[in-house]
Amino acid sequence: GENVEQHPSTLSVQEGDSAVIKCTYSDSASNYFPWYKQELGKRPQLIIDIRSNVGEKKDQRIAVTLNKTAKHFSLHITETQPEDSAVYFCAAIISGGKLIFGQGTELSVKP
Amino acid sequence: GAVVSQHPSWVICKSGTSVKIECRSLDFQATTMFWYRQFPKQSLMLMATSNEGSKATYEQGVEKDKFLINHASLTLSTLTVTSAHPEDSSFYICSARGPSGNEQFFGPGTRLTVL
Repeated sequence: GENVEQHPSTLSVQEGDSAVIKCTYSDSASNYFPWYKQELGKRPQLIIDIRSNVGEKKDQRIAVTLNKTAKHFSLHITETQPEDSAVYFCAAIISGGKLIFGQGTELSVKP
Repeated sequence: GAVVSQHPSWVICKSGTSVKIECRSLDFQATTMFWYRQFPKQSLMLMATSNEGSKATYEQGVEKDKFLINHASLTLSTLTVTSAHPEDSSFYICSARGPSGNEQFFGPGTRLTVL
């Protein structure tokens, strides 16, 4: 079935450094790729998304890139801050409008 | 806009009892809602798609007779965990598909603990 693979599972960076999380997807028909930040016990919060007709999107310190040919998409966070520490999930939309989530990346930003 | 509420936020029940969780879209109509389950330190796993006025469609491995879904109106979907057992203890999250068709808006989740 369709799946989304996410790496790394944990990521520790120093405050001010950049963080990169990568995902691959299997369904070539997927055309919408959101990224979520989830804090412990809370709902996933959409931080950025990208559609398949765009290769890159940026919102302040956060950017997402998409390579449809390779079925890869990545999240880039620059100038990381301690409050960026959370679990991040990538996802891809498949048939029926269903979202399939990656396994998650636990990001720790050390002051 | 695009707010989804969920009730209750947490529930503790005895093994063998049934628990109902409500998911509401507060400021938009949602013909499609989704139910997810999340175990500690794991990802969100889609359980089922809830369609207003029709039967829910369940993902492979999810027992439809155990997890009853009803989507009787454009703003409300309910998930009933029947005959709950300790292994059903989890964080249940609903989402509603927004007007644009792609973005999903998530409820705050329900922490279920079965003793």
